[in-house]
Amino acid sequence: EAGVVQSPRYKIIEKKQPVAFWCNPISGHNTLYWYLQNLGQGPELLIRYENEEAVDDSQLPKDRFSAERLKGVDSTLKIQPAELGDSAVYLCASKGRDSPGELFFGEGSRLTVL
Amino acid sequence: SQQGEEDPQALSIQEGENATMNCSYKTSINNLQWYRQNSGRGLVHLILIRSNEREKHSGRLRVTLDTSKKSSSLLITASRAADTASYFCATSSGGSYIPTFGRGTSLIVHP
Repeated sequence: EAGVVQSPRYKIIEKKQPVAFWCNPISGHNTLYWYLQNLGQGPELLIRYENEEAVDDSQLPKDRFSAERLKGVDSTLKIQPAELGDSAVYLCASKGRDSPGELFFGEGSRLTVL
Repeated sequence: SQQGEEDPQALSIQEGENATMNCSYKTSINNLQWYRQNSGRGLVHLILIRSNEREKHSGRLRVTLDTSKKSSSLLITASRAADTASYFCATSSGGSYIPTFGRGTSLIVHP
């Protein structure tokens, strides 16, 4: 069974440029999470999807961040425009419907904003 | 915001020794999980303990939960160099499945 797939693994951009990250969760997992992880810190939730519905996006900076999960499968996280402080690792995770809480994480997308 | 706080922040031991990491949290929980993260990789789930459980084992891992003290511990016995990683606790509360992670403990196991 394939795990959670994220791309790109690494991205370097100039500030004010846009960037997008893509996530393909484990097949059949209805819950999808985007977390942000700064260096030396634990992951912090940005947004959670139940199928195609964003059910918790209170931590998503909506002035520059947006996310979508069309058809309740793949998801895209976008930043426009990027700022220096956005440099971090963006982690995608998914959870099965009957799981009490175990999350499966992708390898993450490391963003560097210059 | 981060609910759990791991202690110590860093731990350095020799191969074969046991490693103990602690996690304290602030509000009541449904369950607590431990994850491992190797450098530059994603997080890997290790074990989940529910609020009505006190201890769980998985291979060389032993997790305890003390809800009266709002704390948990992760014990890795007979550590190996391959156990070198960061370890995070994550708590879930209320009716939502949103694990909230701590800052992690960085474990180095010297061969």
